[in-house]
Amino acid sequence: DQQVKQNSPSLSVQEGRISILNCDYTNSMFDYFLWYKKYPAEGPTFLISISSIKDKNEDGRFTVFLNKSAKHLSLHIVPSQPGDSAVYFCAASDGRAQKLVFGQGTRLTINP
Amino acid sequence: DTGVSQDPRHKITKRGQNVTFRCDPISEHNRLYWYRQTLGQGPEFLTYFQNEAQLEKSRLLSDRFSAERPKGSFSTLEIQRTEQGDSAMYLCASSPYRGSNTEAFFGQGTRLTVV
Repeated sequence: DQQVKQNSPSLSVQEGRISILNCDYTNSMFDYFLWYKKYPAEGPTFLISISSIKDKNEDGRFTVFLNKSAKHLSLHIVPSQPGDSAVYFCAASDGRAQKLVFGQGTRLTINP
Repeated sequence: DTGVSQDPRHKITKRGQNVTFRCDPISEHNRLYWYRQTLGQGPEFLTYFQNEAQLEKSRLLSDRFSAERPKGSFSTLEIQRTEQGDSAMYLCASSPYRGSNTEAFFGQGTRLTVV
């Protein structure tokens, strides 16, 4: 039962353009959503989060959008830079469970 | 603050042997989590501590797995009688108590290979 899904295993974007990574979830109890970035042989690094009471959160080049009715969130990176090339995971939690449920990840490649 | 530290970074063991991993969380964080990640998948929750109390265990955590967090500081994850299916990256994360929703900070992981 995959409660958090990232349906695109990979994404290739030209440097300077916008990268959009998508994530869908099924559990309506989730109320907190996060994006992590992971380089090979390292642990995930926290990027940005959003509470279910908001529909947008912005931090520099990163913006996360949440559409609760569609159970969908997305991460926008603009402008994309070569250092953004990594695997991106979305994750969700509910206040009760205290644990994160992760998607399968999307490998983002930024081409010069 | 050096972040979450895990030791060892890599472990190769023969099937049937026992292994133990250590995690040192960020010092002021009272929550500590263990996750497991296999190739092509996202991290999967294994267990979680609030201070020294183990509050939740996933059904992924068979009786060969045991985790401890004595004194609410570092944590250990032991796998007894390892099997090839245990080969994975084992990730530790910690977070501060800040209400119900907070981000977790991950260590670099311990990669286990069972041969």
